[in-house]
Amino acid sequence: GAVVSQHPSRVICKSGTSVKIECRSLDFQATTMFWYRQFPKQSLMLMATSNEGSKATYEQGVEKDKFLINHASLTLSTLTVTSAHPEDSSFYICSARLLTSGLTGELFFGEGSRLTVL
Amino acid sequence: AQTVTQSQPEMSVQEAETVTLSCTYDTSESNYYLFWYKQPPSRQMILVIRQEAYKQQNATENRFSVNFQKAAKSFSLKISDSQLGDTAMYFCAFMKRAGNTGKLIFGQGTTLQVKP
Repeated sequence: GAVVSQHPSRVICKSGTSVKIECRSLDFQATTMFWYRQFPKQSLMLMATSNEGSKATYEQGVEKDKFLINHASLTLSTLTVTSAHPEDSSFYICSARLLTSGLTGELFFGEGSRLTVL
Repeated sequence: AQTVTQSQPEMSVQEAETVTLSCTYDTSESNYYLFWYKQPPSRQMILVIRQEAYKQQNATENRFSVNFQKAAKSFSLKISDSQLGDTAMYFCAFMKRAGNTGKLIFGQGTTLQVKP
């Protein structure tokens, strides 16, 4: 199956700093990638939809200036948590969509990135 | 707006036995996909099974099968011959086909513990 890789898998940063998380589709081109946030023992909440070459579409309640998303190529999307604070600590997961996913609906998920803000 | 509800926060089953996880959803769409995803302790999301709403036949994947009741908007997952490796959090998810956005809406999740 298609592989999606996230990096870093774990990151610890100081409050006020910015952190970048990368999501790469390793063996396919993804026109659309999605970013989710997951708190412990809770569900995945969609934060934004990232389309290659255009601005991301954010879900209601998600701060665009806090969570910067860039989808510069068909294989890479990045999420930057700016001026991170302890409440931003969470597990962030990306998923990617094949060009043919319109027929199957299937998405492929990265391994997730755990952010801890001290 | 679509919603997905999993009413069982936690379940347990003895190894080799069968367990059913419940999921209901609400939508006005007529054409959509339904999914069950597994999230083991590694946190990697794994697709377990997929159902297309226009197909009446219930999907099956080896030990995993679904009971899809479109009129009742119910989509339960049955795991047969449970194995220790099935221990994970299971999420039911909905994706509408109209607009082809690819957005997944997840239920709250059910934590399944398979006991030896």
